[in-house]
Amino acid sequence: GENVEQHPSTLSVQEGDSAVIKCTYSDSASNYFPWYKQELGKRPQLIIDIRSNVGEKKDQRIAVTLNKTAKHFSLHITETQPEDSAVYFCAASGGSQGNLIFGKGTKLSVKP
Amino acid sequence: EPEVTQTPSHQVTQMGQEVILRCVPISNHLYFYWYRQILGQKVEFLVSFYNNEISEKSEIFDDQFSVERPDGSNFTLKIRSTKLEDSAMYFCASSVLGQINTGELFFGEGSRLTVL
Repeated sequence: GENVEQHPSTLSVQEGDSAVIKCTYSDSASNYFPWYKQELGKRPQLIIDIRSNVGEKKDQRIAVTLNKTAKHFSLHITETQPEDSAVYFCAASGGSQGNLIFGKGTKLSVKP
Repeated sequence: EPEVTQTPSHQVTQMGQEVILRCVPISNHLYFYWYRQILGQKVEFLVSFYNNEISEKSEIFDDQFSVERPDGSNFTLKIRSTKLEDSAMYFCASSVLGQINTGELFFGEGSRLTVL
């Protein structure tokens, strides 16, 4: 089945800097890659997603890139703000299992 | 904006007791899911449900777990005889399209289960 690896597990940046979180997946049939933000004690909320027919997608300060050949995808946050501090999860689905499989999460801390 | 709602928000139970967690998915959604998150760990898939039957389940979803859609709105997760390791946040989710068609998941706020 699908396995998703996520790095780093923690990331600390200064306000205004960029943050990059990377994920790899194992099932080459996976075709949907969402990113979720989870604040402490809250539900995961979708912030951006990308499908396998697209290499890059951007939404204001957030962008996601996908390299299907290498089976990895990344989240890029520019001009980080303290309110970006949260745990970010990548996920993959659409492969043989079909269901969303999550990475272990990255705790992002943005220092003012 | 429509939301997935879950009850209870927190339940404390004794080991060996039965627990039922309830969810009301978004009304026009067809696919329903349960995920769990042990404190500080990743979100793990438990089960997906479509057309009144389980479509997929993970190895976590053993015989102690069951799901049901008793009426047109509720979707429940039952744990028959809780163990200490069942302590976790349980998230219900729903989507219009199934995962195989890459439908976006909408999560509920979660039900925190504490087994003593």
